[in-house]
Amino acid sequence: DAGVIQSPRHEVTEMGQEVTLRCKPISGHNSLFWYRQTMMRGLELLIYFNNNVPIDDSGMPEDRFSAKMPNASFSTLKIQPSEPRDSAVYFCASSQTGQPQHFGDGTRLSIL
Amino acid sequence: GESVGLHLPTLSVQEGDNSIINCAYSNSASDYFIWYKQESGKGPQFIIDIRSNMDKRQGQRVTVLLNKTVKHLSLQIAATQPGDSAVYFCAERGTGNQFYFGTGTSLTVIP
Repeated sequence: DAGVIQSPRHEVTEMGQEVTLRCKPISGHNSLFWYRQTMMRGLELLIYFNNNVPIDDSGMPEDRFSAKMPNASFSTLKIQPSEPRDSAVYFCASSQTGQPQHFGDGTRLSIL
Repeated sequence: GESVGLHLPTLSVQEGDNSIINCAYSNSASDYFIWYKQESGKGPQFIIDIRSNMDKRQGQRVTVLLNKTVKHLSLQIAATQPGDSAVYFCAERGTGNQFYFGTGTSLTVIP
């Protein structure tokens, strides 16, 4: 069974550019989560969706960040414009309600 | 919001010894806890979970203990192997379906 698939695995771009991270959750999972991981702040929940609807976006740092889930098999996290402090590893995870989350292998984002 | 913290940021053990990784949580109403293992360059991987109506749960070479009185969670790894070297996170379920993660403990197994 395929796990959570994230793309790209690595992204290097200049500040001010738009960045789009993509996630395909595990088929049949109804919850999807976006996390950001840094050495300073650890693993932070940015936003999560239930049945494609955003439930809690209180972790989204600023209006520069936005996330969408147009259908049950795809989600995007967009940063526009990007800044060097956005550099981190971004993880997507999915689960069935109340069950453990399954994580993708992340996108390592570097903003120069 | 909830906060979850780990007592020790790093732990080194000899191969074959048992490892104990600790975690403190703050929300006494939390009803579900998970331990994750994260290897370099990968996402966190589920190890074992426990619900608040239990105080102990065993898996293969791993045991999780929950002490609700002092809001403490521990992960015990028996006969630690080099492949167990990783960062271990505890996570606590908050209101809704989201989880709050601790800062992580780095386990190094010395061959």
